[in-house]
Amino acid sequence: NAGVTQTPKFQVLKTGQSMTLQCAQDMNHEYMSWYRQDPGMGLRLIHYSVGAGITDQGEVPNGYNVSRSTTEDFPLRLLSAAPSQTSVYFCASSYSNSYEQYFGPGTRLTVT
Amino acid sequence: GENVEQHPSTLSVQEGDSAVIKCTYSDSASNYFPWYKQELGKRPQLIIDIRSNVGEKKDQRIAVTLNKTAKHFSLHITETQPEDSAVYFCAGTDGQNFVFGPGTRLSVLP
Repeated sequence: NAGVTQTPKFQVLKTGQSMTLQCAQDMNHEYMSWYRQDPGMGLRLIHYSVGAGITDQGEVPNGYNVSRSTTEDFPLRLLSAAPSQTSVYFCASSYSNSYEQYFGPGTRLTVT
Repeated sequence: GENVEQHPSTLSVQEGDSAVIKCTYSDSASNYFPWYKQELGKRPQLIIDIRSNVGEKKDQRIAVTLNKTAKHFSLHITETQPEDSAVYFCAGTDGQNFVFGPGTRLSVLP
């Protein structure tokens, strides 16, 4: 199993550009989520999904969209990048919110 | 919703000593409490977890204790080694999501 994969590993955007961060898992997990981690900070939930076709907002959803058309994939879209979105983004998956979350390797995003 | 607090924010110990990190949670319905270790530049990885029907769990040098009445749980690392140096995060759940504490930076001094 590849586990949770994320692409790209690094990305530099200019203010106002849009892009999609990709996340995929091959463990047949229903629960998937996106977090952002700022320097010296903890993990803040952006959006999550409890299954294909179902998504909901987390703590810091503004400026981001998600969709979940399949169990395996959970892309995160930045609509119009802002410098405040400079961060490391982690995707995670688990069977549910009562089981271990597996994290992807992260995407380091810089917005100039 | 769930609120998870974590103390201390930084902790330095001598190699071989024990380290204890404490977390408190607010939602009495929380039933799963994982601990994650994150090394510099790496992803968080689960090191131990405990469910609400268990008071203590051990895995070699690592243990977690849970006090449901007081709504707190603690991570205990014995015989610390330099490779234990990392940031540790606790988490609770609010029925739908994991809520993470702000993290503890542990430094094990040789």
